[in-house]
Amino acid sequence: DTGVSQDPRHKITKRGQNVTFRCDPISEHNRLYWYRQTLGQGPEFLTYFQNEAQLEKSRLLSDRFSAERPKGSFSTLEIQRTEQGDSAMYLCASSSPLSNAEAFFGQGTRLTVV
Amino acid sequence: AQTVTQSQPEMSVQEAETVTLSCTYDTSESNYYLFWYKQPPSRQMILVIRQEAYKQQNATENRFSVNFQKAAKSFSLKISDSQLGDTAMYFCAFMKRGSQGNLIFGKGTKLSVKP
Repeated sequence: DTGVSQDPRHKITKRGQNVTFRCDPISEHNRLYWYRQTLGQGPEFLTYFQNEAQLEKSRLLSDRFSAERPKGSFSTLEIQRTEQGDSAMYLCASSSPLSNAEAFFGQGTRLTVV
Repeated sequence: AQTVTQSQPEMSVQEAETVTLSCTYDTSESNYYLFWYKQPPSRQMILVIRQEAYKQQNATENRFSVNFQKAAKSFSLKISDSQLGDTAMYFCAFMKRGSQGNLIFGKGTKLSVKP
């Protein structure tokens, strides 16, 4: 296991299209997080899973954003009807069950909406 | 709501010298964690150092150390003997204990280490 893996690394889409990103966490990690990072800013928390349960989703940016982790392993983040303002780096992170465990980040998916 | 402020958008340092990156935060919480993350160009973010708010002793990891001033809500990062590989964006982050991993990041400081 080489760490948190995200796919694709880059995505260019036309405004109005739907996009889906995948995250494979470190295998023994039961916690998974999604963040968004826009240019010149730090990452912004979006949502959090513990196993397959989505325990925090109030920070998802709009109802166009949704995330799943159906079997408690990989996760997907979907953006429907993309807008130019959705252009950003989408980061996934995972951590072990320890209460203060370090979050390990993937390399991110860079989305460009044209 | 918690906020994290990094007041230095960019800094540079000569190789082998020491540099300090500043971070302040605002919170009414008493139990929390503070972190410094490093994001090299086109590579993933990695944890540099972590501090638990209830610990008075400043955390140290090899060439990296912090100056944690809880009353002043200040959390600076000192990098000693800077190396070319330290060139990266550095993010200060806050996490409330029990917040389900919700890290709150500052805007980052771009550090360039010059040969």
